[in-house]
Amino acid sequence: EAGVTQSPTHLIKTRGQQVTLRCSPISGHTSVYWYQQALGLGLQFLLWYDEGEERNRGNFPPRFSGRQFPNYSSELNVNALELEDSALYLCASSLYYRAVNSPLHFGNGTRLTVT
Amino acid sequence: GENVEQHPSTLSVQEGDSAVIKCTYSDSASNYFPWYKQELGKRPQLIIDIRSNVGEKKDQRIAVTLNKTAKHFSLHITETQPEDSAVYFCAASIEGGSQGNLIFGKGTKLSVKP
Repeated sequence: EAGVTQSPTHLIKTRGQQVTLRCSPISGHTSVYWYQQALGLGLQFLLWYDEGEERNRGNFPPRFSGRQFPNYSSELNVNALELEDSALYLCASSLYYRAVNSPLHFGNGTRLTVT
Repeated sequence: GENVEQHPSTLSVQEGDSAVIKCTYSDSASNYFPWYKQELGKRPQLIIDIRSNVGEKKDQRIAVTLNKTAKHFSLHITETQPEDSAVYFCAASIEGGSQGNLIFGKGTKLSVKP
């Protein structure tokens, strides 16, 4: 079974630019979660999508946005990049959001560096 | 919303000793508490989880305890080995509902010295 896949693996952008990160969940999973892992700050919850809808959002500004496609893959968009957006962006997936006993499975992440 | 506090931030033990990591949560409705292990340069991976209808769960050298009244839960690793060295994250959520996203603690960097 293929795991959660993310692309690209690494990305270097300049302040003010925009970036799009991509995630494909495990087959059969409909929920996709995005987390930001900046140095020393743990895993900060960004966004959660299920069945194409945004289910919940973390405490991040509106320039962080995303969407989920009919095949359950997802994109995370970050506009007007700032230096502090430099981080590892992790995507995770799980079964349908009302399911129990469905742990999150993480991808390897996208390392974003903003200069 | 939910807030998860995790202590200590760093922990160093000798091989063979036990390690304990503690977490507290704020939302009394939270009912699912997983622990993830993240080795250097790798993805976080689930090592054990516990639900609010259970007070303790064991899996070989790893155990987790939950005190719902005090809203805290702990990870216990016995007979530590060098390969246990990693960052450990606790998390909490309301499973099966609209607050099902995990909220993580800030992590504990465990170092096991041979």
